[in-house]
Amino acid sequence: NAGVTQTPKFQVLKTGQSMTLQCAQDMNHNSMYWYRQDPGMGLRLIYYSASEGTTDKGEVPNGYNVSRLNKREFSLRLESAAPSQTSVYFCASSEASGFTDTQYFGPGTRLTVL
Amino acid sequence: EDQVTQSPEALRLQEGESSSLNCSYTVSGLRGLFWYRQDPGKGPEFLFTLYSAGEEKEKERLKATLTKKESFLHITAPKPEDSATYLCAPSGGYQKVTFGIGTKLQVIP
Repeated sequence: NAGVTQTPKFQVLKTGQSMTLQCAQDMNHNSMYWYRQDPGMGLRLIYYSASEGTTDKGEVPNGYNVSRLNKREFSLRLESAAPSQTSVYFCASSEASGFTDTQYFGPGTRLTVL
Repeated sequence: EDQVTQSPEALRLQEGESSSLNCSYTVSGLRGLFWYRQDPGKGPEFLFTLYSAGEEKEKERLKATLTKKESFLHITAPKPEDSATYLCAPSGGYQKVTFGIGTKLQVIP
């Protein structure tokens, strides 16, 4: 089992460009999450999907959109990238919803917006 | 608002020198507290989940404990491979997990 996989690993964008971060899990988990990690701050939740077909905003959703494509895949889209979105992005998944179940994280995508 | 503070921010130990990392939290209705390990350039790796005050869990040289206001991660006789950032994350209810900034541990041979 690969666990949680993310693509790409690194990306450099110019301000205003768009891109989609891909995430997939092979653990048959119901819930999936997108976080960002910035220096001096804890992981912050952008969006999550408690189950296939549902998505909800987290703490910092502005500037992002998500799609739960199927049970395995959860993508994060930046429509018009801004320098403030320079960060490391992590996808995670958990068997159950409700944030009481263990979340398993992917390796991350390091995004720089110039 | 849920809050979590981890201390110290950084800790340097000699190999074999035991110590503890602290996680203080203010969460309404704690439903669980997670500990993760994060290596540079990698995603967080799950270590433990604690659900109630008084609970303890162990894994190799690590032991996590929980009170109503704090959690401790005790490291006994650490080795250089234990060097990493350790993250604490209490879950304070539906749709909410708050991650601490972490304690960066360096174990020197």
